[in-house]
Amino acid sequence: DVKVTQSSRYLVKRTGEKVFLECVQDMDHENMFWYRQDPGLGLRLIYFSYDVKMKEKGDIPEGYSVSREKKERFSLILESASTNQTSMYLCASSLNGEAFFGQGTRLTVV
Amino acid sequence: RKEVEQDPGPFNVPEGATVAFNCTYSNSASQSFFWYRQDCRKEPKLLMSVYSSGNEDGRFTAQLNRASQYISLLIRDSKLSDSATYLCVTGGFKTIFGAGTRLFVKA
Repeated sequence: DVKVTQSSRYLVKRTGEKVFLECVQDMDHENMFWYRQDPGLGLRLIYFSYDVKMKEKGDIPEGYSVSREKKERFSLILESASTNQTSMYLCASSLNGEAFFGQGTRLTVV
Repeated sequence: RKEVEQDPGPFNVPEGATVAFNCTYSNSASQSFFWYRQDCRKEPKLLMSVYSSGNEDGRFTAQLNRASQYISLLIRDSKLSDSATYLCVTGGFKTIFGAGTRLFVKA
């Protein structure tokens, strides 16, 4: 079975903090994605990566950056957390378009 | 315009009803298509892939119309356990999700 693991299920951070969300997959997938999910807005793509050190902006990249130093790991970085970044963050890896998700990180910025 | 647009929800149906969800996509280069199901406070999980020839999995039937850039999901004989959010997804260079349609099946 494909396993995608996110480092935290719940996280509370203060405004202005730098936040790292980590995601690891064990299936050697080329593509990895970060989404955020908010009520009524569905899943919105923040960034994705199709290879090590390669990244592409998604629909809502502002306020975020990413890092893919190794194929299995894709990190989402909030440089200076703000309250409007309170959300559920979902990482996924994909093969032939089919996405496999981690369990999600519910981030609260206070 | 969103890349993947779905029927607005929620759909409230009685047990045993047939319900259909529709989805349109704007990127003609999309190569693969899926329906995902997401339960409350859980991550999305693959329900089924969608092919031009149509495919069926028990009570679920999915259809793709490439010419119209349209995807559908039909659920027959709805069960209470079908209550969830259904997400239409296109794959290719990047995987794009629709906003989802909430389904409530009532006894």
